[in-house]
Amino acid sequence: EDKVVQSPLSLVVHEGDTVTLNCSYEVTNFRSLLWYKQEKKAPTFLFMLTSSGIEKKSGRLSSILDKKELFSILNITATQTGDSAIYLCAVGETSGSRLTFGEGTQLTVNP
Amino acid sequence: DAGVIQSPRHEVTEMGQEVTLRCKPISGHDYLFWYRQTMMRGLELLIYFNNNVPIDDSGMPEDRFSAKMPNASFSTLKIQPSEPRDSAVYFCAASQGDRSRQFFGPGTRLTVL
Repeated sequence: EDKVVQSPLSLVVHEGDTVTLNCSYEVTNFRSLLWYKQEKKAPTFLFMLTSSGIEKKSGRLSSILDKKELFSILNITATQTGDSAIYLCAVGETSGSRLTFGEGTQLTVNP
Repeated sequence: DAGVIQSPRHEVTEMGQEVTLRCKPISGHDYLFWYRQTMMRGLELLIYFNNNVPIDDSGMPEDRFSAKMPNASFSTLKIQPSEPRDSAVYFCAASQGDRSRQFFGPGTRLTVL
């Protein structure tokens, strides 16, 4: 059975701090890893990673995938209170369109 | 485009009642997914469709749950009879092709008393 594990499960930081969120996975036929941000509503897409070692970047957020060690990290620099959310990691397989989600990391950024 | 539309946004019902959740996917997105999110189990895929055909329903918890997609612009998830443990947020998501990101609707928060 596919497995996605995120850590930490929760994190509290102050504005301006840099955070690193972790996602490890066990998937039979890996195709892609996706990061989503969920505030008090639907998950919104952040990144999709398919190749090792290539950093994806969007403003203060960046992510990288290591297919050898089976993990990904999501970095947020100079955090703001608006970054407070649950960050979800999901993995897709080559067979079918199913995404398996991790439990999420609850990030709280205090002013 | 309005994105994925779900209704109702909130539903409160009593145990034993039938519940129908509705989803209108993004036009042209040929994959539709139904998820359930709870604190205990996180986000779980229930079923997904491709071109209106159910492809994988292995996540459907039991026979009380059923889903249909009669056409490309409408899908329903039905629970009959509902139980308190079905209380969760149910999301519908859509994607264009099976390799692209999924766009989520706003969800339906279901409470079964």
